[in-house]
Amino acid sequence: DGGITQSPKYLFRKEGQNVTLSCEQNLNHDAMYWYRQDPGQGLRLIYYSQIVNDFQKGDIAEGYSVSREKKESFPLTVTSAQKNPTAFYLCASSIVRGDQPQHFGDGTRLSIL
Amino acid sequence: QKEVEQDPGPLSVPEGAIVSLNCTYSNSAFQYFMWYRQYSRKGPELLMYTYSSGNKEDGRFTAQVDKSSKYISLFIRDSQPSDSATYLCAPKTSYDKVIFGPGTSLSVIP
Repeated sequence: DGGITQSPKYLFRKEGQNVTLSCEQNLNHDAMYWYRQDPGQGLRLIYYSQIVNDFQKGDIAEGYSVSREKKESFPLTVTSAQKNPTAFYLCASSIVRGDQPQHFGDGTRLSIL
Repeated sequence: QKEVEQDPGPLSVPEGAIVSLNCTYSNSAFQYFMWYRQYSRKGPELLMYTYSSGNKEDGRFTAQVDKSSKYISLFIRDSQPSDSATYLCAPKTSYDKVIFGPGTSLSVIP
């Protein structure tokens, strides 16, 4: 079945540490997105990518970085510059940019040790 | 004022009830309106997609958009325990990012 796989499901970060969240899709979608979900708030866009080797900042990109070296993969790095990283992180995809996100992964919950 | 607002709930109804979930927005440029359903500890799934004002029906679900009052509704008929989830409304402009509401938590009691 086609879909989005996020790993790990749970992740713990120590102070000053960078961590990378994995997102892989086999839907052949061009556009991929990273969202952050906090209790009582809507999903907020961190980064998005319309095509391989291209990505754009979303609303809350500070303290995060991404790469898009392959169509199937869009990893997110939470750097030590992100001072409040505890959240539920969701990766999504759509056939093309401008469409609404059509598929989501099941998320990675990041916590601080 | 937040761009998209929803009553967070939780909303608790008996099985078989008609459920009304509501959402208001402030940006008159929104033209596309989505509802996503999110089960606990899972990613959202796209449930309904409508364009401009009017109604759209899909099985037990009906999405209603009133652009004049900037009001979006999702109705669930014959609600089932499996409908227990958080429902996110998500409007967007013609070529822009989607804005997600905070979601309404629904619990359908058998």
